[in-house]
Amino acid sequence: GAVVSQHPSWVICKSGTSVKIECRSLDFQATTMFWYRQFPKQSLMLMATSNEGSKATYEQGVEKDKFLINHASLTLSTLTVTSAHPEDSSFYICSARVGHLKDGYTFGSGTRLTVV
Amino acid sequence: QKEVEQNSGPLSVPEGAIASLNCTYSDRGSQSFFWYRQYSGKSPELIMFIYSNGDKEDGRFTAQLNKASQYVSLLIRDSQPSDSATYLCAVMKEYGNKLVFGAGTILRVKS
Repeated sequence: GAVVSQHPSWVICKSGTSVKIECRSLDFQATTMFWYRQFPKQSLMLMATSNEGSKATYEQGVEKDKFLINHASLTLSTLTVTSAHPEDSSFYICSARVGHLKDGYTFGSGTRLTVV
Repeated sequence: QKEVEQNSGPLSVPEGAIASLNCTYSDRGSQSFFWYRQYSGKSPELIMFIYSNGDKEDGRFTAQLNKASQYVSLLIRDSQPSDSATYLCAVMKEYGNKLVFGAGTILRVKS
């Protein structure tokens, strides 16, 4: 099946630094990538939708200058958490629609970010 | 009112029993519905997709959709301990291809 490769799986960074998370579609072209954040024992909250070659669309309440999204090619989308703070510690997951709706949306393996 | 609502559980069932998971949604224009399973610390994996009223069966899983009542459910027959996970109901918004997730129901299957 279609695979979205997400890296890194986990990262620990110091407060004030930036962290980049990558999602690559390995065997299909992802024109759209969805970025989610999940806090412990909570559901996935959509942060933004990235489209290849255009600006990302952010959900209400998500700071676009803090969470920079780049979708420069059909197989790569990146999320950069800038000036990270402890409250940004969370599980970040990317997702793409593979093709027919019946196949659903495939998810990356997630990135556990801990800001200390 | 949340867009997608699920009982957080935990729902405990004995091995071999039927587990019934429920979900309601607020956007009457929604057309497509998904059930995902998520193990702790892992990303979600697709279990079922349904878009027509009625039942859809796939192995031990049956999804049921009632658009008039804005209700979708998932039945797991012959529950196994390996089914213990959080089950997420997801609804595709009418516009934008975005999925909105419920908070998830924790299922525990006891052997």
